[in-house]
Amino acid sequence: GQQVMQIPQYQHVQEGEDFTTYCNSSTTLSNIQWYKQRPGGHPVFLIQLVKSGEVKKQKRLTFQFGEAKKNSSLHITATQTTDVGTYFCAGRTGGFKTIFGAGTRLFVKA
Amino acid sequence: SAVISQKPSRDICQRGTSLTIQCQVDSQVTMMFWYRQQPGQSLTLIATANQGSEATYESGFVIDKFPISRPNLTFSTLTVSNMSPEDSSIYLCSVGPSGASSYEQYFGPGTRLTVT
Repeated sequence: GQQVMQIPQYQHVQEGEDFTTYCNSSTTLSNIQWYKQRPGGHPVFLIQLVKSGEVKKQKRLTFQFGEAKKNSSLHITATQTTDVGTYFCAGRTGGFKTIFGAGTRLFVKA
Repeated sequence: SAVISQKPSRDICQRGTSLTIQCQVDSQVTMMFWYRQQPGQSLTLIATANQGSEATYESGFVIDKFPISRPNLTFSTLTVSNMSPEDSSIYLCSVGPSGASSYEQYFGPGTRLTVT
């Protein structure tokens, strides 16, 4: 069945270092979304990407959607302790069902 | 974005019993979903709650175990029936998308269920 793979599973960084998480799909996606879940919280929508090769920025966060629409990445520049949490990508091939990646848990040491 | 509330926020239940989780949205929404999230794991879609008709269940989930109601466009319930410790998890209600070109989903705060 359709899968959305996400790596790494977790990452420890020193505050100020950069962080990247990658998402890969076995099939072409119509769109991809990114969510952040703080410890003890629920997933919160960050952004959606629809177009091939699309790049979007939110302050220190940069999101990319691959040319083939099968992969995506989230890059955080100069991490802060407030960035701690799990980042999920979620993709759709069509229809109403969204498939979530396994998530990347980010730990930031001050 | 929609504001979603869930009740109860948490519960501890004995095996063999059932628990009904309520999800209330502050506006009318077309799509409502129920997810399960094991601690430290990703989100697994249980079913899509359809207004006025039977829910659409994902592979591995059945109506007898997880009956769902959706009487209107702002409310849904999920029942976890004949519970076992394996049902211990966080159950999340979600709504979305909001439009033809908007695919984001919004999540309720979740219900943390522990089955003893």
